[in-house]
Amino acid sequence: AQKITQTQPGMFVQEKEAVTLDCTYDTSDPSYGLFWYKQPSSGEMIFLIYQGSYDQQNATEGRYSLNFQKARKSANLVISASQLGDSAMYFCAMRGLTNAGKSTFGDGTTLTVKP
Amino acid sequence: NAGVTQTPKFQVLKTGQSMTLQCAQDMNHEYMSWYRQDPGMGLRLIHYSVGAGITDQGEVPNGYNVSRSTTEDFPLRLLSAAPSQTSVYFCASNSGGTRVYEQYFGPGTRLTVT
Repeated sequence: AQKITQTQPGMFVQEKEAVTLDCTYDTSDPSYGLFWYKQPSSGEMIFLIYQGSYDQQNATEGRYSLNFQKARKSANLVISASQLGDSAMYFCAMRGLTNAGKSTFGDGTTLTVKP
Repeated sequence: NAGVTQTPKFQVLKTGQSMTLQCAQDMNHEYMSWYRQDPGMGLRLIHYSVGAGITDQGEVPNGYNVSRSTTEDFPLRLLSAAPSQTSVYFCASNSGGTRVYEQYFGPGTRLTVT
């Protein structure tokens, strides 16, 4: 079984500052991937970043980085230099690599960037 | 390359009606999934498929049927619509192996059951 927990229903950040969105997970799968998605008010799901459970380094994609702490089962998303367009819902998700058809999502964090 | 397409974009049903939500992908992905998203919540897996002819239940399968006769198509059938099925439905596809991280979502179908 897989479980994703996002404990921050809403977050505020000042424009140009960095923000960390928390995600903890639980799984019995020995190999898995962790994902973050952005969902703006228009509703589409936008893939942001991926971290494999056996990756030695934390993933980075532009202003997004994933702070992966395997022992703590956490996969926090860090957004640097926040922009007004970053205001959206953010979802953490995971998928076991032995059954790549099943993804589990957290309940999301609504991020609001203040000017 | 159209990616993942879903039809219709919006649908209103009366309680007890049935309908099929269509999903198609043109990336030759082996995995396809259906999720529902209730207001203010994350996505919950309804059914998924690991290849043509092979489907399995997700977290919330009751009231829904799926089949996968081709790699490209993965329709979701609502057997007898209930107000509790009012939600946004997303179809997704992904490949396995070394590119397992690439999961593509359709634009969603907003369903209201009255």
